[in-house]
Amino acid sequence: DAGVIQSPRHEVTEMGQEVTLRCKPISGHDYLFWYRQTMMRGLELLIYFNNNVPIDDSGMPEDRFSAKMPNASFSTLKIQPSEPRDSAVYFCASSLGAIYNSPLHFGNGTRLTVT
Amino acid sequence: QQQVKQSPQSLIVQKGGISIINCAYENTAFDYFPWYQQFPGKGPALLIAIRPDVSEKKEGRFTISFNKSAKQFSLHIMDSQPGDSATYFCAASTSFSGTYKYIFGTGTRLKVLA
Repeated sequence: DAGVIQSPRHEVTEMGQEVTLRCKPISGHDYLFWYRQTMMRGLELLIYFNNNVPIDDSGMPEDRFSAKMPNASFSTLKIQPSEPRDSAVYFCASSLGAIYNSPLHFGNGTRLTVT
Repeated sequence: QQQVKQSPQSLIVQKGGISIINCAYENTAFDYFPWYQQFPGKGPALLIAIRPDVSEKKEGRFTISFNKSAKQFSLHIMDSQPGDSATYFCAASTSFSGTYKYIFGTGTRLKVLA
């Protein structure tokens, strides 16, 4: 299995622009998570899906952030408009079923820089 | 109550030494405690995990010690090697009441000197 695939690996954009991050989870996994990693705040859970349905988006910082999962093999995280404080590494992770049976499998992340 | 507090923030250990990282939690609903290892440019990867019905779990050079009454758990890396140099995250999770919480500590950057 190729693992969780994220694209792009790096994104540099100007303040005010729309940014879309993409994730392909491991085939068969029914949970998908979006995390944001910064030096100051560590790994923060933004939102997670179960069977393509958003379950908890309480970690989404504000309305500028939105996430979708149109099917079991694809998810997007969109920031519109982007701001410099959104600069971070964004990780997607997937897991299968109950937490005891399967750990979170992370992608290699997208490093976002907003200037 | 959802936080997981991790210390130290950074750690330098000589090759062959013991690395110890500590975590503490408050939410008694947490029932699964994994440790993740992250190398630069990569996503975190599961290293070892424990459930609160046991006090210790060992896998090779890595051991988790768990103290349920104190709500603390720690990672011990025996015979630390330069290849262990990475950032380590503790985490705590629960699927209580149908919700699924997976909270990470702030990370410990470990450097093992050759």
